[in-house]
Amino acid sequence: EDQVTQSPEALRLQEGESSSLNCSYTVSGLRGLFWYRQDPGKGPEFLFTLYSAGEEKEKERLKATLTKKESFLHITAPKPEDSATYLCAVQGAQKLVFGQGTRLTINP
Amino acid sequence: DGGITQSPKYLFRKEGQNVTLSCEQNLNHDAMYWYRQDPGQGLRLIYYSQIVNDFQKGDIAEGYSVSREKKESFPLTVTSAQKNPTAFYLCASSIGARGGDTQYFGPGTRLTVL
Repeated sequence: EDQVTQSPEALRLQEGESSSLNCSYTVSGLRGLFWYRQDPGKGPEFLFTLYSAGEEKEKERLKATLTKKESFLHITAPKPEDSATYLCAVQGAQKLVFGQGTRLTINP
Repeated sequence: DGGITQSPKYLFRKEGQNVTLSCEQNLNHDAMYWYRQDPGQGLRLIYYSQIVNDFQKGDIAEGYSVSREKKESFPLTVTSAQKNPTAFYLCASSIGARGGDTQYFGPGTRLTVL
């Protein structure tokens, strides 16, 4: 069974303090790994899709990387507006499987 | 301006009532999905549809029903058989249902049972 585990569950940083969020997964035949950002009371907003180990993608202060067992979402010099829950999901042969998310808070 | 719309944003239901949540997309996507989100849990798949007039059950389909009469629309009915319907419901769509196709989400409907 495909599984996704995100860590930590919650992370509090000071503005400008860089860090990484982890997404560990087990899947039969990875078709794609997805990162989303979700603000309270809103739908997830798509950030990145990664397809194969070694692939990296960047957007503003965010950078996603992928290995055969895990993905990292690196956040560099975060700002308070980066506060949100970040969701990771993997797709194997069947449906998309989501992790429980990491709740990120950036203090000014 | 392409996107996915869900209505209503908030919905209150009395026990024993059926309610229908609307989902519309103008992205020309073939596949559409319904998820349920509960605090502390990942998104769980209720139903999905790869093409008009066809849909499949997800992991938690009991107590729910759907229809796909138009490409743009995928309404979800929460029936009285659903024992614990209070949750945040999310609709999504993707260009196809092949593995690796990115799913895009609507703004969600929060359903509360009174």
